[in-house]
Amino acid sequence: GAGVSQTPSNKVTEKGKYVELRCDPISGHTALYWYRQSLGQGPEFLIYFQGTGAADDSGLPNDRFFAVRPEGSVSTLKIQRTERGDSAVYLCASSSQGQTGELFFGEGSRLTVL
Amino acid sequence: TQLLEQSPQFLSIQEGENLTVYCNSSSVFSSLQWYRQEPGEGPVLLVTVVTGGEVKKLKRLTFQFGDARKDSSLHITAAQPGDTGLYLCAGAGLSNYKLTFGKGTLLTVNP
Repeated sequence: GAGVSQTPSNKVTEKGKYVELRCDPISGHTALYWYRQSLGQGPEFLIYFQGTGAADDSGLPNDRFFAVRPEGSVSTLKIQRTERGDSAVYLCASSSQGQTGELFFGEGSRLTVL
Repeated sequence: TQLLEQSPQFLSIQEGENLTVYCNSSSVFSSLQWYRQEPGEGPVLLVTVVTGGEVKKLKRLTFQFGDARKDSSLHITAAQPGDTGLYLCAGAGLSNYKLTFGKGTLLTVNP
């Protein structure tokens, strides 16, 4: 498909485990964003990539969270030592413009930490 | 931190009624976007407003950006069940790349 693809769509893990969430953006989009959405809340900014580099990672809640985009396309959000409070839907979005162009969101990865 | 407050948080109306959703902040935004999100899906962009005082219409939806670029409203005329969803406003700060989202307004239009 031509849209943003996120895998897995659902992930259930135990507290303390390591998790990776993958985002495949729209081909050619240089900007990639990760957001986290908790129940009843709007999306919360985590990190923004322009190409391969993280232009702004100020939204990552702590050092257990890390994201990479080694070739400027696919991105992986990595969460170490998961906690119950990490449970949320993790949304990825891409844009052809780095600055307030339309964001195209994936369907999200729902993470549940037991 | 730029905060966007949306009101109301929940809205349940009958088909054919009109409604307005508000998005307010103490911060100035370079632009403001409105998204609609359905369960199990990501948000989908409805409109971007850039200029203070700007009004944009999208069929039965009317969007307005405040003169000071701190607030916005979404008005829906003659709501239909297909309008049901979570409406999110998102403001772009002066750096222009980081969107700050409001908590959203969950709209239910009953047939």
